[in-house]
Amino acid sequence: SQQGEEDPQALSIQEGENATMNCSYKTSINNLQWYRQNSGRGLVHLILIRSNEREKHSGRLRVTLDTSKKSSSLLITASRAADTASYFCATDRAGNNRKLIWGLGTSLAVNP
Amino acid sequence: EPEVTQTPSHQVTQMGQEVILRCVPISNHLYFYWYRQILGQKVEFLVSFYNNEISEKSEIFDDQFSVERPDGSNFTLKIRSTKLEDSAMYFCASSMGQLRTGELFFGEGSRLTVL
Repeated sequence: SQQGEEDPQALSIQEGENATMNCSYKTSINNLQWYRQNSGRGLVHLILIRSNEREKHSGRLRVTLDTSKKSSSLLITASRAADTASYFCATDRAGNNRKLIWGLGTSLAVNP
Repeated sequence: EPEVTQTPSHQVTQMGQEVILRCVPISNHLYFYWYRQILGQKVEFLVSFYNNEISEKSEIFDDQFSVERPDGSNFTLKIRSTKLEDSAMYFCASSMGQLRTGELFFGEGSRLTVL
């Protein structure tokens, strides 16, 4: 089954605006992680939220997790042109902590 | 800051040739992974490796693929006889502990182009 589907697939905003990306998943998880990927580059870990947590902050990032809806959101506040990248959610499925399952990602463009 | 390094950054090969992608994980990490990303598609899990053995592999990781940790620092992915559909970006990752406890650290990737 497909796990970790992000929406929207693409998002274009102006610098200074907030960007919200959503992720849905299908099975129970241990944790959910958000990663960022600049074009043609590696994946950079942003934030991890455990299944017993509801909200987590890191700088301009805010992640929420709703396990009843099997969904998560990533909010980037006061966006900058340098935030332009693809953002992926990845889940660590409960009972299996040896692999992450990824979504297709949201491509975020922040226009100066 | 410690980082995962991968070589080569880009390799072009002919179909049917063997390819070895190399990774140097972060030195005190215990878990190692290979993922791949075909252009425009999802990141896909290939294999995880712990305590000198494969702990899990995906259905993609068939007999054409193998991994090795030949010494205390390198972690390699070998594709024995490449196919066109093996063209992708291959990412190595490592972690200190199991996934439920923390993040993966990824390398910059090795782009494989099979002609």
